[in-house]
Amino acid sequence: EPEVTQTPSHQVTQMGQEVILRCVPISNHLYFYWYRQILGQKVEFLVSFYNNEISEKSEIFDDQFSVERPDGSNFTLKIRSTKLEDSAMYFCASFGSVPYEQYFGPGTRLTVT
Amino acid sequence: AQKVTQAQTEISVVEKEDVTLDCVYETRDTTYYLFWYKQPPSGELVFLIRRNSFDEQNEISGRYSWNFQKSTSSFNFTITASQVVDSAVYFCALSVLNQAGTALIFGKGTTLSVSS
Repeated sequence: EPEVTQTPSHQVTQMGQEVILRCVPISNHLYFYWYRQILGQKVEFLVSFYNNEISEKSEIFDDQFSVERPDGSNFTLKIRSTKLEDSAMYFCASFGSVPYEQYFGPGTRLTVT
Repeated sequence: AQKVTQAQTEISVVEKEDVTLDCVYETRDTTYYLFWYKQPPSGELVFLIRRNSFDEQNEISGRYSWNFQKSTSSFNFTITASQVVDSAVYFCALSVLNQAGTALIFGKGTTLSVSS
């Protein structure tokens, strides 16, 4: 069964550093998403990406965040200058041509020290 | 605006008990989808079910069943004869159909602890 993959599984970084979280969505999917889950809290939508541009973003997704699909397979989330409060699990998800078939990656745990 | 409420923060049961997890949603859209996800201690999100707003039929899958009632805006999840492996956080989520995308709105989750 196809799956969404994410790398790394765990990233530790110092405050102020840039991080890039990587995701490989399922190959024939059209919509891509990033979600965030602070430890012990609910999963929160960050951004959706369709047709090589952001289609929707939440209030959380401020200027420190950016997304990119650099090569037609990877989907990345960049945080330019990390803050302590960016520590969370980040989930990538992709949706297929049949809408609402939800596939989540295993997540990247980001720890900012 | 859309909202999902899971009023039960934590539930503890003993193995073989039945347990129902409540989910109440809010949306003004007439076309929407509801989901349940399981998050075991390992952290991944495991898809359990998707239901669209036009399909109010209840669904059963093994020990799992779901009760969708539009009249009360609820989409409750029942585990029959619970097992220790059911211990996890369960999230209810809502997605509406719009031109911008299909972002999921999650509830805060219910932590289910099943003891032997």
